[in-house]
Amino acid sequence: KAGVTQTPRYLIKTRGQQVTLSCSPISGHRSVSWYQQTPGQGLQFLFEYFSETQRNKGNFPGRFSGRQFSNSRSEMNVSTLELGDSALYLCASSLETGGTYEQYFGPGTRLTVT
Amino acid sequence: AQSVTQLGSHVSVSEGALVLLRCNYSSSVPPYLFWYVQYPNQGLQLLLKYTSAATLVKGINGFEAEFKKSETSFHLTKPSAHMSDAAEYFCAVKDGGATNKLIFGTGTLLAVQP
Repeated sequence: KAGVTQTPRYLIKTRGQQVTLSCSPISGHRSVSWYQQTPGQGLQFLFEYFSETQRNKGNFPGRFSGRQFSNSRSEMNVSTLELGDSALYLCASSLETGGTYEQYFGPGTRLTVT
Repeated sequence: AQSVTQLGSHVSVSEGALVLLRCNYSSSVPPYLFWYVQYPNQGLQLLLKYTSAATLVKGINGFEAEFKKSETSFHLTKPSAHMSDAAEYFCAVKDGGATNKLIFGTGTLLAVQP
């Protein structure tokens, strides 16, 4: 079974631009979560989607948004990019049955804002 | 609120030596705990999970962890380090409620000396 895939793997954007990142979960997984990883702040939760509904949201400004489609694929969007948005963005999917809750991560999208 | 603390941001061991990475948790409910490993320029790989079925949990690559409620600890061990174990290791706890949100520790970078 294929793992979580994220596209693109690398991205360079300029301040003020917007960006859309894509995540395809493991087949059959309905929960998708997004995390931001930076050297200074570590791994921080952005948001979680389950069956096309945002179930949980982290403490990020409204410039960060996401959505999930009926096939469970998810996108996250960052508008008006700032230098501090440079980070590795990780997507994770979960089957969420049997109370196990483990999440499987994709390789990430490395976003550089200049 | 759930949280995890990883003691030691850098750990160095010799090849063949015992690996011990420390994680202490704080949780208001019975915790779901996880260890993940991250190799350079990659996403997170699940090593093992604790979901209350057994206190000693065996994972991939020869790693195991023991859940100790009295010490609120979930330390990761491996009897004999291999060069390929050099990576960053993250302890995480699932947040409470109907969510898959993970709260991560700050990570421990493991170096393995020949």
